[in-house]
Amino acid sequence: KQEVTQIPAALSVPEGENLVLNCSFTDSAIYNLQWFRQDPGKGLTSLLLIQSSQREQTSGRLNASLDKSSGRSTLYIAASQPGDSATYLCAVSSGGSNYKLTFGKGTLLTVNP
Amino acid sequence: EAGVTQFPSHSVIEKGQTVTLRCDPISGHDNLYWYRRVMGKEIKFLLHFVKESKQDESGMPNNRFLAERTGGTYSTLKVQPAELEDSGVYFCASSLLGTGQFGYTFGSGTRLTVV
Repeated sequence: KQEVTQIPAALSVPEGENLVLNCSFTDSAIYNLQWFRQDPGKGLTSLLLIQSSQREQTSGRLNASLDKSSGRSTLYIAASQPGDSATYLCAVSSGGSNYKLTFGKGTLLTVNP
Repeated sequence: EAGVTQFPSHSVIEKGQTVTLRCDPISGHDNLYWYRRVMGKEIKFLLHFVKESKQDESGMPNNRFLAERTGGTYSTLKVQPAELEDSGVYFCASSLLGTGQFGYTFGSGTRLTVV
């Protein structure tokens, strides 16, 4: 059974700092990994999608890496801003017949002005 | 392109009542998923439709939950009768082709509170 763990559960940093969020998964037989952002009371916004054959994806100040063999992914946020404050969720798709997602509990990020 | 639409956004009902949640996927997305997040837990899979057929409903908690997708378009999730532990946020997601190649687009969710 796939399990996804995200560390830390919460993180508070000053504006401008670079930061790393961690995600680990127990079964390396994944199809892809997706990072989401959730703002309070809002839905999930997809940030980055990494296919199992890829090592990393970048979008603006965000960079996500994937090490499938070790069951790890990191989300790097450069030059953090108060608007980055949100919960960041990692989810893996294990393929199979329906590619359903297994989520971690998320990391609550607060960027202080 | 319109995103995944869910309504209502919030619902407060009494224990024992019935509630129906609706999801409109992105047009052309045959794959539709329901997920749920209860307080303090991670988001968990409920079920998966391909067009109007249920492909996997292994995550449905019990027979008080009924999901339908008439005509392969929008989907409804009915909870009858609702219990306190059903409170949480119910998310709908859709994807193209079912391969997961393009990831998933989620709706804003329905926050259900059972009192």
